Amino acid sequence: SQTIHQWPATLVQPVGSPLSLECTVEGTSNPNLYWYRQAAGRGLQLLFYSVGIGQISSEVPQNLSASRPQDRQFILSSKKLLLSDSGFYLCAWEAGGNYEQYFGPGTRLTVT
Amino acid sequence: AQTVTQSQPEMSVQEAETVTLSCTYDTSESNYYLFWYKQPPSRQMILVIRQEAYKQQNATENRFSVNFQKAAKSFSLKISDSQLGDTAMYFCAFMKLHTGANSKLTFGKGITLSVRP
Repeated sequence: SQTIHQWPATLVQPVGSPLSLECTVEGTSNPNLYWYRQAAGRGLQLLFYSVGIGQISSEVPQNLSASRPQDRQFILSSKKLLLSDSGFYLCAWEAGGNYEQYFGPGTRLTVT
Repeated sequence: AQTVTQSQPEMSVQEAETVTLSCTYDTSESNYYLFWYKQPPSRQMILVIRQEAYKQQNATENRFSVNFQKAAKSFSLKISDSQLGDTAMYFCAFMKLHTGANSKLTFGKGITLSVRP
């Protein structure tokens, strides 16, 4: 069966510090991968998606970037965090053409 | 662009009773999917049910069923025999089907459901 992992689970970082959040998927090959952000009391906003290694599409211009160095690894990064980057970050995977996205446990990021 | 509206911020239901959560959407597309996701206090998003727009039959998954009204652009979720474990935030989501390889979800703002013992 497929599983998706995210780490860390929680993170507190000062403004201006770098960020790296990691997402890995097991039990599948060549998944579509997605990064979402959920602000407090809000729905999810799609940030980035990837259909293959090195292929990244950005949905929202912002302070963040994403990379996919391996087939089942998706990384969300920032060089300098802003207060507005605080939120709950969710990674999701989809078997290409299946149209169902399955989410990881999420990372709660607080920028202070 | 697609929009998804969940106008009820909160609902409450007695255990073992039935509750219906409302969702409307706006799109000019004819080929799409609709989903309901559940987010319990653990905050992990769990897929509850999906509906293909081309299907007239409403989807069902055990105690969960939908009422899909394509012309009205309405997609409600009915939970039968509510259980305490159904307490969660529920999100309605829209997916336009692309000819390419990826699928983008547009989410509503969610509704908080509380099941009372």
